[in-house]
Amino acid sequence: TQLLEQSPQFLSIQEGENLTVYCNSSSVFSSLQWYRQEPGEGPVLLVTVVTGGEVKKLKRLTFQFGDARKDSSLHITAAQPGDTGLYLCAGGSTLGRLYFGRGTQLTVWP
Amino acid sequence: GAVVSQHPSRVICKSGTSVKIECRSLDFQATTMFWYRQFPKQSLMLMATSNEGSKATYEQGVEKDKFLINHASLTLSTLTVTSAHPEDSSFYICSAKGFLNTEAFFGQGTRLTVV
Repeated sequence: TQLLEQSPQFLSIQEGENLTVYCNSSSVFSSLQWYRQEPGEGPVLLVTVVTGGEVKKLKRLTFQFGDARKDSSLHITAAQPGDTGLYLCAGGSTLGRLYFGRGTQLTVWP
Repeated sequence: GAVVSQHPSRVICKSGTSVKIECRSLDFQATTMFWYRQFPKQSLMLMATSNEGSKATYEQGVEKDKFLINHASLTLSTLTVTSAHPEDSSFYICSAKGFLNTEAFFGQGTRLTVV
Protein backbone atom coordinates (compact mmCIF):
# COMPACT_ATOMS: atom_id res chain seq x y z
CA THR A 1 0.00 0.00 0.00
CA GLN A 2 1.40 3.36 -1.06
CA LEU A 3 0.76 5.97 1.61
CA LEU A 4 1.81 8.80 -0.65
CA GLU A 5 0.56 9.09 -4.23
CA GLN A 6 2.85 11.14 -6.38
CA SER A 7 1.96 12.41 -9.83
CA PRO A 8 2.84 12.50 -12.57
CA GLN A 9 5.18 9.53 -12.63
CA PHE A 10 7.03 10.79 -15.68
CA LEU A 11 7.37 14.31 -17.03
CA SER A 12 9.28 15.34 -20.13
CA ILE A 13 9.35 19.04 -20.97
CA GLN A 14 11.33 21.66 -22.87
CA GLU A 15 13.70 24.07 -21.21
CA GLY A 16 11.88 27.19 -20.02
CA GLU A 17 8.56 25.52 -19.31
CA ASN A 18 6.90 25.45 -15.90
CA LEU A 19 5.78 22.29 -14.13
CA THR A 20 4.06 21.09 -10.97
CA VAL A 21 4.46 17.76 -9.18
CA TYR A 22 1.83 16.62 -6.71
CA CYS A 23 2.05 14.48 -3.61
CA ASN A 24 -1.21 13.34 -2.02
CA SER A 25 -2.17 11.17 0.92
CA SER A 26 -5.14 10.28 3.07
CA SER A 27 -2.85 10.37 6.10
CA VAL A 28 -1.67 13.35 8.10
CA PHE A 29 2.09 13.74 8.39
CA SER A 30 4.14 15.60 10.97
CA SER A 31 6.38 16.84 8.18
CA LEU A 32 6.77 16.47 4.46
CA GLN A 33 10.04 16.46 2.63
CA TRP A 34 11.04 16.73 -0.99
CA TYR A 35 14.17 15.06 -2.31
CA ARG A 36 15.95 14.97 -5.63
CA GLN A 37 17.88 11.88 -6.65
CA GLU A 38 20.43 11.42 -9.40
CA PRO A 39 21.04 7.93 -10.87
CA GLY A 40 23.30 5.84 -8.65
CA GLU A 41 23.24 8.31 -5.78
CA GLY A 42 21.29 8.79 -2.59
CA PRO A 43 18.45 11.31 -2.40
CA VAL A 44 19.38 14.88 -1.54
CA LEU A 45 17.02 16.84 0.66
CA LEU A 46 15.53 19.93 -1.00
CA VAL A 47 13.11 21.17 1.62
CA THR A 48 11.11 20.23 4.70
CA VAL A 49 7.68 21.67 5.39
CA VAL A 50 6.00 21.18 8.75
CA THR A 51 3.17 23.71 9.03
CA GLY A 52 -0.16 23.37 7.22
CA GLY A 53 -0.38 25.95 4.44
CA GLU A 54 3.35 26.58 4.52
CA VAL A 55 5.03 27.78 1.34
CA LYS A 56 8.78 27.67 0.83
CA LYS A 57 10.79 28.95 -2.09
CA LEU A 58 14.19 27.72 -3.19
CA LYS A 59 15.26 29.79 -6.22
CA ARG A 60 12.97 28.56 -9.03
CA LEU A 61 11.36 25.87 -6.87
CA THR A 62 8.24 26.55 -4.81
CA PHE A 63 7.02 24.02 -2.28
CA GLN A 64 3.60 24.07 -0.65
CA PHE A 65 2.19 22.00 2.20
CA GLY A 66 -1.58 21.56 2.27
CA ASP A 67 -3.61 23.10 5.06
CA ALA A 68 -4.51 19.64 6.39
CA ARG A 69 -0.90 18.42 6.10
CA LYS A 70 -1.93 15.59 3.82
CA ASP A 71 -0.65 16.85 0.50
CA SER A 72 2.09 18.91 -1.04
CA SER A 73 3.17 20.31 -4.37
CA LEU A 74 6.44 21.24 -5.99
CA HIS A 75 6.38 23.89 -8.70
CA ILE A 76 9.39 24.60 -10.89
CA THR A 77 9.50 27.80 -12.89
CA ALA A 78 11.46 28.03 -16.14
CA ALA A 79 12.85 24.52 -15.92
CA GLN A 80 16.45 23.92 -16.96
CA PRO A 81 18.22 20.73 -18.10
CA GLY A 82 20.02 20.71 -14.75
CA ASP A 83 16.67 20.13 -13.06
CA THR A 84 16.49 16.67 -14.60
CA GLY A 85 16.22 13.96 -11.96
CA LEU A 86 13.94 11.85 -9.81
CA TYR A 87 11.88 13.96 -7.41
CA LEU A 88 10.61 12.19 -4.33
CA CYS A 89 8.20 13.35 -1.68
CA ALA A 90 8.29 11.74 1.74
CA GLY A 91 5.93 12.02 4.65
CA GLY A 92 7.43 11.95 8.11
CA SER A 93 5.88 10.36 11.18
CA THR A 94 6.47 11.47 14.75
CA LEU A 95 8.76 8.44 15.10
CA GLY A 96 10.98 9.75 12.34
CA ARG A 97 10.07 7.15 9.76
CA LEU A 98 9.76 8.37 6.20
CA TYR A 99 7.20 7.07 3.73
CA PHE A 100 8.13 7.79 0.14
CA GLY A 101 5.98 8.40 -2.89
CA ARG A 102 6.82 6.54 -6.10
CA GLY A 103 8.69 9.53 -7.44
CA THR A 104 8.45 11.73 -10.50
CA GLN A 105 11.09 11.30 -13.17
CA LEU A 106 11.63 14.73 -14.70
CA THR A 107 13.49 15.21 -17.96
CA VAL A 108 14.13 18.73 -19.23
CA TRP A 109 15.30 18.95 -22.82
CA PRO A 110 17.51 21.81 -24.02
CA GLY B 1 23.26 19.63 5.80
CA ALA B 2 24.56 16.75 7.84
CA VAL B 3 26.89 14.20 6.23
CA VAL B 4 26.15 10.50 6.03
CA SER B 5 28.72 8.22 4.47
CA GLN B 6 27.88 4.82 3.08
CA HIS B 7 30.43 2.19 2.13
CA PRO B 8 31.03 0.50 -0.20
CA SER B 9 29.43 2.34 -3.09
CA ARG B 10 29.51 -0.75 -5.27
CA VAL B 11 29.99 -4.42 -4.47
CA ILE B 12 29.84 -7.59 -6.50
CA CYS B 13 29.62 -10.87 -4.66
CA LYS B 14 29.08 -14.52 -5.42
CA SER B 15 25.77 -16.18 -4.72
CA GLY B 16 25.72 -17.70 -1.24
CA THR B 17 28.18 -15.26 0.33
CA SER B 18 27.41 -12.44 2.77
CA VAL B 19 27.95 -8.75 2.23
CA LYS B 20 28.20 -6.01 4.83
CA ILE B 21 27.27 -2.39 4.10
CA GLU B 22 28.26 0.39 6.49
CA CYS B 23 26.46 3.64 7.16
CA ARG B 24 28.19 6.35 9.18
CA SER B 25 27.02 9.74 10.38
CA LEU B 26 30.10 11.92 10.19
CA ASP B 27 29.11 15.10 12.00
CA PHE B 28 26.16 14.25 14.20
CA GLN B 29 24.91 11.50 16.46
CA ALA B 30 22.40 9.33 14.66
CA THR B 31 19.91 8.05 17.18
CA THR B 32 17.89 6.46 14.39
CA MET B 33 19.00 4.94 11.12
CA PHE B 34 16.86 3.69 8.28
CA TRP B 35 17.66 1.19 5.57
CA TYR B 36 15.99 1.33 2.17
CA ARG B 37 16.04 -0.71 -0.96
CA GLN B 38 15.48 0.72 -4.41
CA PHE B 39 14.87 -1.15 -7.64
CA PRO B 40 15.62 0.50 -11.00
CA LYS B 41 13.25 3.33 -11.85
CA GLN B 42 11.33 2.81 -8.64
CA SER B 43 11.05 4.63 -5.35
CA LEU B 44 12.66 3.80 -2.03
CA MET B 45 11.12 1.01 0.02
CA LEU B 46 11.81 1.13 3.75
CA MET B 47 13.30 -2.15 4.95
CA ALA B 48 13.94 -1.47 8.62
CA THR B 49 14.39 1.17 11.29
CA SER B 50 17.10 0.89 13.89
CA ASN B 51 17.61 2.84 17.07
CA GLU B 52 21.02 2.88 18.68
CA GLY B 53 21.42 0.03 21.12
CA SER B 54 18.11 -1.61 20.22
CA LYS B 55 17.00 -4.32 17.85
CA ALA B 56 15.90 -3.13 14.47
CA THR B 57 12.24 -2.95 13.54
CA TYR B 58 11.63 -4.57 10.18
CA GLU B 59 8.90 -3.69 7.72
CA GLN B 60 6.41 -6.33 6.75
CA GLY B 61 7.82 -8.78 4.22
CA VAL B 62 11.48 -8.10 5.03
CA GLU B 63 13.33 -11.15 6.34
CA LYS B 64 15.21 -10.15 9.47
CA ASP B 65 17.42 -13.25 9.34
CA LYS B 66 18.50 -12.39 5.82
CA PHE B 67 19.04 -8.68 6.31
CA LEU B 68 20.92 -8.32 9.58
CA ILE B 69 21.04 -4.79 10.95
CA ASN B 70 23.33 -3.64 13.71
CA HIS B 71 23.31 -0.16 15.24
CA ALA B 72 25.84 -0.49 18.03
CA SER B 73 26.97 3.12 18.17
CA LEU B 74 25.55 6.58 17.55
CA THR B 75 27.58 6.97 14.37
CA LEU B 76 27.51 3.56 12.74
CA SER B 77 24.91 1.12 11.48
CA THR B 78 25.56 -1.92 9.32
CA LEU B 79 23.37 -3.97 7.03
CA THR B 80 24.55 -7.50 6.29
CA VAL B 81 22.92 -9.36 3.43
CA THR B 82 23.39 -13.00 4.34
CA SER B 83 23.55 -15.85 1.83
CA ALA B 84 23.01 -13.42 -1.00
CA HIS B 85 21.16 -14.47 -4.12
CA PRO B 86 20.83 -12.72 -7.50
CA GLU B 87 17.36 -11.46 -6.55
CA ASP B 88 19.00 -9.50 -3.71
CA SER B 89 20.79 -7.39 -6.30
CA SER B 90 19.59 -3.85 -5.77
CA PHE B 91 20.50 -0.35 -4.66
CA TYR B 92 20.59 -0.13 -0.86
CA ILE B 93 20.46 3.28 0.82
CA CYS B 94 20.75 4.27 4.45
CA SER B 95 19.60 7.44 6.14
CA ALA B 96 20.32 8.80 9.57
CA LYS B 97 18.43 11.07 11.91
CA GLY B 98 19.57 12.79 15.06
CA PHE B 99 17.41 13.07 18.14
CA LEU B 100 16.58 16.73 17.60
CA ASN B 101 16.43 16.63 13.81
CA THR B 102 13.25 16.64 11.78
CA GLU B 103 15.06 15.55 8.63
CA ALA B 104 16.92 12.37 7.87
CA PHE B 105 20.03 12.59 5.72
CA PHE B 106 20.91 9.97 3.17
CA GLY B 107 24.06 8.12 2.33
CA GLN B 108 25.26 7.78 -1.24
CA GLY B 109 23.84 4.30 -1.64
CA THR B 110 25.40 0.89 -2.34
CA ARG B 111 24.90 -0.93 -5.62
CA LEU B 112 24.91 -4.66 -4.80
CA THR B 113 25.24 -7.16 -7.61
CA VAL B 114 25.05 -10.85 -6.78
CA VAL B 115 26.39 -13.15 -9.48
